[in-house]
Amino acid sequence: DTGVSQDPRHKITKRGQNVTFRCDPISEHNRLYWYRQTLGQGPEFLTYFQNEAQLEKSRLLSDRFSAERPKGSFSTLEIQRTEQGDSAMYLCASLSDGGSYEQYFGPGTRLTVT
Amino acid sequence: AQSVTQLGSHVSVSEGALVLLRCNYSSSVPPYLFWYVQYPNQGLQLLLKYTSAATLVKGINGFEAEFKKSETSFHLTKPSAHMSDAAEYFCAVSEDNAGNMLTFGGGTRLMVKP
Repeated sequence: DTGVSQDPRHKITKRGQNVTFRCDPISEHNRLYWYRQTLGQGPEFLTYFQNEAQLEKSRLLSDRFSAERPKGSFSTLEIQRTEQGDSAMYLCASLSDGGSYEQYFGPGTRLTVT
Repeated sequence: AQSVTQLGSHVSVSEGALVLLRCNYSSSVPPYLFWYVQYPNQGLQLLLKYTSAATLVKGINGFEAEFKKSETSFHLTKPSAHMSDAAEYFCAVSEDNAGNMLTFGGGTRLMVKP
């Protein structure tokens, strides 16, 4: 069990550019979650997958955001036409259906939009 | 919609003193409640969880929390603070009682003075 990994750890981009983040969950965890955390705040839920199916999307997830989990393993979160307000830490978590209810979090990707 | 309120964005205690971090929630269904800890530049780590079993829940690192339905509270305590406890603590409630779609409080930063 190597834990949840995220890549990159840091991303600086200019306003208007597109960015893509990757999350690799703990192997055999069939649920995967994306959260956004701004400075001084708690994480906010964005979306989650059960296997490859995207089951819930928050109202926070504007149409500039898209997430995929094509084979039910890793996931990507893409932000198109980034805005300064997108600057945040993007956290990924995974959970097993085994009934533990514990989401395991990755270290996050810190996005800075200049 | 569910919500979580953490009273006190910053709490300072002396080493060896009692730690009390407050969490109140609102939920339209019996809640599943969680406390997570976040150390600098790291992901969130689960301290403990309440999933409708015993109301007094013991977690890692000597922390415990008590679910009080009448007070809609889930305060986190530790009898004796250690310097290594200095971190950000987040209380969270599960939106669907399956561990999905966590709603987090704003967090409490715990500082431990020598």
